[in-house]
Amino acid sequence: GAGVSQSPRYKVAKRGQDVALRCDPISGHVSLFWYQQALGQGPEFLTYFQNEAQLDKSGLPSDRFFAERPEGSVSTLKIQRTQQEDSAVYLCASSDYPGQTLEQYFGPGTRLTVT
Amino acid sequence: AQKITQTQPGMFVQEKEAVTLDCTYDTSDQSYGLFWYKQPSSGEMIFLIYQGSYDEQNATEGRYSLNFQKARKSANLVISASQLGDSAMYFCAMSLVRYQKVTFGIGTKLQVIP
Repeated sequence: GAGVSQSPRYKVAKRGQDVALRCDPISGHVSLFWYQQALGQGPEFLTYFQNEAQLDKSGLPSDRFFAERPEGSVSTLKIQRTQQEDSAVYLCASSDYPGQTLEQYFGPGTRLTVT
Repeated sequence: AQKITQTQPGMFVQEKEAVTLDCTYDTSDQSYGLFWYKQPSSGEMIFLIYQGSYDEQNATEGRYSLNFQKARKSANLVISASQLGDSAMYFCAMSLVRYQKVTFGIGTKLQVIP
């Protein structure tokens, strides 16, 4: 079946602009995660949804970051008033937990560059 | 809080040889999962292998095996018969059963030499 998809793949924003990043998880996957990956680093957890409920947002770096998953499938990560330090790859992952396994399957990521 | 340590920033291996990528972890939880992901230059994170903390046998997936030593808190990845397409960043990661977020190490860059 289709994997996790993300759009756009690349986004250039001027400092101060708002951006919205979209994630389409694997069909039927209950859990959805957002991660931020800075250059040369491993991904860092941002937030976690189980269906439409946002169960953990402890990794969101500031109140400029907001995520939603209103119908329990597609999710959007919004960054308001972007700053240069927001430049990173934003990865979305989904899993069928609490199903059989803990594995998370990742999308290709959105590379955000703030100029 | 859980922590993953990967101490090899870069590794080289000859094509068709085996290579071991090191990973140690730290957690006080008893129920957790350990993962390895591959990230080629294209950027996508590709799931390779999973080991549950209660699994008694080491996980294997094709040419990948996970050498799980629970007492030493290590979860090394072994890639047998390396191929040129194995050149990529490799991340060790873990999550707790009770708490879903995945914690990643900083990665090891593997380069396969023809």
